[in-house]
Amino acid sequence: GQQLNQSPQSMFIQEGEDVSMNCTSSSIFNTWLWYKQDPGEGPVLLIALYKAGELTSNGRLTAQFGITRKDSFLNISASIPSDVGIYFCAGRGGSNYKLTFGKGTLLTVNP
Amino acid sequence: DTAVSQTPKYLVTQMGNDKSIKCEQNLGHDTMYWYKQDSKKFLKIMFSYNNKELIINETVPNRFSPKSPDKAHLNLHINSLELGDSAVYFCASSPSGTGDYNEQFFGPGTRLTVL
Repeated sequence: GQQLNQSPQSMFIQEGEDVSMNCTSSSIFNTWLWYKQDPGEGPVLLIALYKAGELTSNGRLTAQFGITRKDSFLNISASIPSDVGIYFCAGRGGSNYKLTFGKGTLLTVNP
Repeated sequence: DTAVSQTPKYLVTQMGNDKSIKCEQNLGHDTMYWYKQDSKKFLKIMFSYNNKELIINETVPNRFSPKSPDKAHLNLHINSLELGDSAVYFCASSPSGTGDYNEQFFGPGTRLTVL
């Protein structure tokens, strides 16, 4: 089945720093999504990407759909304490209903 | 005006019991999902229903039985609970199930603890 490798597993940064995380897939995806999960809550959609090469921003967040359709990255600029949480990438291939999730990146921001 | 809601939020029970988790969405979506998140935070799809029809059924023990009385509700019944069933279970919904602009919105989760 499809597998996603998400890295890094965790990051400890200082407030104000920029952050980058990425996902790679063993197969091609048609959609890449990035979610954030706060403690005790469900994942919340941050950015959705639908075309190879697409670069999309949402405030301080920027994500790109890789040209090969097998990877995506998420950047967070000028991090703040409320950026703390687990960030998940997810991909969907073809007309499949199914989303495959990465294992998450735990982000800690020190004030 | 909660979009995807689940009850209960927490569920603590003994091994061998039968329990249900309920999910409702008021987004008018056609497709609903159940995910299991383990202690390492890995999210894995269990089931999906589109307009009350089962469309995804991953390798899940048949002690788990989803039921969709209508397209706004997807409940999860678990028989003979085992210690390994302890996890957080998330319900999600999407407008349909395929194609672009069809993203999944998650509920707040139900933390199940089996003693």
